[in-house]
Amino acid sequence: QSALTQPASVSGSPGQSITISCSGFSSDIDNYNYVSWYQHHPGKAPKLVIYAVTIRPSGVSDRFSGSKSVNAASLTISGLQAEDEAVYYCSSYRSRSSTVVFGGGTKLTVL
Amino acid sequence: QLQLQESGPELVKPSETLSLTCTVSGGSIRSLISNWGWIRQTPGKGLEWIGSIYYNGDADYAPPLKSRVTLFVDTSKNQFSLNLSSVTTADTAVYFCARQRADAFEKRLDYWGQGTLVTVSS
Repeated sequence: QSALTQPASVSGSPGQSITISCSGFSSDIDNYNYVSWYQHHPGKAPKLVIYAVTIRPSGVSDRFSGSKSVNAASLTISGLQAEDEAVYYCSSYRSRSSTVVFGGGTKLTVL
Repeated sequence: QLQLQESGPELVKPSETLSLTCTVSGGSIRSLISNWGWIRQTPGKGLEWIGSIYYNGDADYAPPLKSRVTLFVDTSKNQFSLNLSSVTTADTAVYFCARQRADAFEKRLDYWGQGTLVTVSS
């Protein structure tokens, strides 16, 4: 099984909202509510912004929110700011191999 | 505040073994709620989970790399390490170490090192 599937890129203007989707398989996203999202600025360490589908770690802006439907997870960023421009990765536990899998990453451009 | 720092050679020759160490500070590597993981980002590509290890030595590995990866823990030094054997240029990447929650299915990576670039070249 391959990595989780994300769109390669998404863009929005300051103040707008964007949503990034992440789809997987029955051994990960479909049957487990343990999706995490990471923000990655080039040259820096990735930062956890959402875990367990909807939970924001302490210190993460409430402009970041997560959700999940039957077969896909989503990250929504509201009130876009220039500093949100980064690559965003989803991640999930994959029961079939007892491992962690990442999506291919989505490049967010703030216009 | 938990902090992690990677260390090791920046240049490795093809067919040799890449070895990196992650030093944990601000907390114990014997934490019951922590696994210790390695993740890499190859040039122009996304994040790839390599594997994780618990303080007692129990480890999980990503299937594509399993035959070449070994993880170790040194509790006396509060460190854990990665060995990746028979490297090729495809293993050139930024390697990150991270704390991975040790829950049954909740595997978030909540503390990361800054990453270290390892280049495989003769």
